[in-house]
Amino acid sequence: KQEVTQIPAALSVPEGENLVLNCSFTDSAIYNLQWFRQDPGKGLTSLLLIQSSQREQTSGRLNASLDKSSGRSTLYIAASQPGDSATYLCAVREGNTDKLIFGTGTRLQVFP
Amino acid sequence: EAGVAQSPRYKIIEKRQSVAFWCNPISGHATLYWYQQILGQGPKLLIQFQNNGVVDDSQLPKDRFSAERLKGVDSTLKIQPAKLEDSAVYLCASSTGPMNTEAFFGQGTRLTVV
Repeated sequence: KQEVTQIPAALSVPEGENLVLNCSFTDSAIYNLQWFRQDPGKGLTSLLLIQSSQREQTSGRLNASLDKSSGRSTLYIAASQPGDSATYLCAVREGNTDKLIFGTGTRLQVFP
Repeated sequence: EAGVAQSPRYKIIEKRQSVAFWCNPISGHATLYWYQQILGQGPKLLIQFQNNGVVDDSQLPKDRFSAERLKGVDSTLKIQPAKLEDSAVYLCASSTGPMNTEAFFGQGTRLTVV
């Protein structure tokens, strides 16, 4: 059974810091991995999608990497801003079942 | 491009009552998902449709939850009767198809059972 874990569960940093959020998964047979952002009381916004054949994807200040063989992905946020405060979720699309399986998220707070 | 639409945004009901949620996916998206997100947890898949057929409903509590996807487009999720532990955000998502496709989520429906 696929299990997705995110570390740390919560993170509080001053504005301007570079951050790394971690996501690990137990079954490497995946189609892709997706990073989402969730603001309080809101739905999920897709940030980055990495296909299983790719190593990384970049969008603005965000960079996501994927090491499928070791079951790991990282989301790098450069020069963090208070507006980045949210919960960040990773999800893997299983290769065998096509299910989208989520981690428990990292709650990020960036203070001025 | 319009996103995934869900209604209502909020619902408060008493235990043992029934409730229904509605989802309209992005036009042309064949795959539709319903997730349950309990406060402080990641979303849990309840049911996945491919067009109007069920792909997976292994985590759907079928004694009280039901879902259908009419004509392979809109979908409704129903709970009858509701329990206190059903209090959660119910998220609908869609994608163009299976495998290597990006999933897009609606704003969710926050259900409170009192």
